[in-house]
Amino acid sequence: RKEVEQDPGPFNVPEGATVAFNCTYSNSASQSFFWYRQDCRKEPKLLMSVYSSGNEDGRFTAQLNRASQYISLLIRDSKLSDSATYLCVVNSNTGGFKTIFGAGTRLFVKA
Amino acid sequence: GAVVSQHPSWVICKSGTSVKIECRSLDFQATTMFWYRQFPKQSLMLMATSNEGSKATYEQGVEKDKFLINHASLTLSTLTVTSAHPEDSSFYICSAGWAGAGLVDQPQHFGDGTRLSIL
Repeated sequence: RKEVEQDPGPFNVPEGATVAFNCTYSNSASQSFFWYRQDCRKEPKLLMSVYSSGNEDGRFTAQLNRASQYISLLIRDSKLSDSATYLCVVNSNTGGFKTIFGAGTRLFVKA
Repeated sequence: GAVVSQHPSWVICKSGTSVKIECRSLDFQATTMFWYRQFPKQSLMLMATSNEGSKATYEQGVEKDKFLINHASLTLSTLTVTSAHPEDSSFYICSAGWAGAGLVDQPQHFGDGTRLSIL
C-alpha cells in the first residue's frame, strides 16, 4: 500500500462545477498535511495547509480527518485556470523527517 | 512567502557530460534541502536530503557517486549529475525548509525545477 494515495483522475468538469479530491495516508503518526498544485512541466506550488478544524481560502476548502487518515480538497465554482494536477502531501517525523507526495489528481476544467 | 531559486532551468547536453544544478534559498536560511526527480506523468521521487555542513542522505536506489550533493552554506545546495546519460533525463526539483522552525510542521518551498535532457 502506498503511504499517500490519491485518485489519479482525470477529473473532467465544466466551468462553475464543484469538484472534490480525496487523499488517504497510512502513517497515523503523520504530523502536517498540505495540498499543492502542479502545472504541466512546472514545480509544485503550495495551495494550502490542511487542519483538522478545516480551512478555507476563497473557493478552496481543505479538511483533515485524523481518525480516518483522510484529507480532502473541495474546489467550488471551478475556473479554467484551476486545470492542473493536485498533490496531497504529508510530513512525518517517524524514523526521521519525511515528506511523502501523493501521485496527484489531474483536473481538467472545460468551458 | 519563502523563495527558492534553482538554476539552470533547462539543460541540453551530450552524453557523458557532468551537469551542476544550484538551489538557493533567497530570503531564509535552509539547514535542510531536498532533491527530487520527476519523470513524465509520475510523482516526485525524493533522491536525497541535503544537510548544511554534512553529508547528504540518499534514498535507496540513488547512486551517491553519480548524484553528488554539496550543501556548503545555509543558502546553497548543489546537485551534480556526473557523466550523465540519456536515462538521467528528467525534471530535477529542489526544495527547502526554514531552519528557524520545526521542519515537520511547515510546507516545503520548491525551486523552479531544472529540465535536463541528455542526448
